Amino acid sequence: DGGITQSPKYLFRKEGQNVTLSCEQNLNHDAMYWYRQDPGQGLRLIYYSQIVNDFQKGDIAEGYSVSREKKESFPLTVTSAQKNPTAFYLCASSPIGTGGFNEQFFGPGTRLTVL
Amino acid sequence: AQSVTQLDSQVPVFEEAPVELRCNYSSSVSVYLFWYVQYPNQGLQLLLKYLSGSTLVESINGFEAEFNKSQTSFHLRKPSVHISDTAEYFCAATFNQGGKLIFGQGTELSVKP
Repeated sequence: DGGITQSPKYLFRKEGQNVTLSCEQNLNHDAMYWYRQDPGQGLRLIYYSQIVNDFQKGDIAEGYSVSREKKESFPLTVTSAQKNPTAFYLCASSPIGTGGFNEQFFGPGTRLTVL
Repeated sequence: AQSVTQLDSQVPVFEEAPVELRCNYSSSVSVYLFWYVQYPNQGLQLLLKYLSGSTLVESINGFEAEFNKSQTSFHLRKPSVHISDTAEYFCAATFNQGGKLIFGQGTELSVKP
C-alpha cells in the first residue's frame, strides 16, 4: 500500500534536547512538507522541499531544521532553540505538476510533548 | 495577506440534524479551495475540493460545499449528520497555481445522539 508513515506516534523530550521526527513516503512524490498543528490555530507550514537536496523555509521555521537526502524521506529536527515545541506535527507529500493544484497527502502525525 | 477564516471553532449538533461549517477566504483572482477532515490523533484526509467548473462540489459521504465568489465563501454542508462525522474540519486555500496551502483555524464538529 502506498502512503506516508511518520514515527514515532508519540514522543517525549526533555527541555534542551534536540529530537528528530521521521517522515517516509512511497508515493513517488517530489514535494514534501512539514506542518505544525496547535489547538485553534490550524496548520502552519514549517519547511517544504520540492526536490532532493533542496528545501525552503515556511512560515514558522525558527527552531527547526530538515534534510532531504532521499526522495522518500524528509526528517524534521526540533532543536532546543524552539521555544514552545509541544505540538502535533504532520508530514505531507504531493506530486508536482504543471499548473493547477497538486493534492497533498498527509501522514498520521507525531505528537511531541516537552517535559 | 491572504487568509482563510473559519467562523466557528466548535459546532455541536444532534444526530440526523443538518449542519453548516462556515469558511471565508481573502479575495483573490485565482483560488483553489478545499475541505479536509481530521479524526482524533490522525492525519488529514481530503474531503472535497473546488478547482474550477461547477461551484457545487460533493464528497462521497454526503457533504457538499459551494464556491461563492461574491461572498468569498466556501461553506461545508450536510443535510443529515451521523455520529461518525464527529471530527475536526479544516478549510484550506491555494491562492495561485502552485502556491502554498493556507489553512483555516479548524472547526470541531461534535455529533450527539
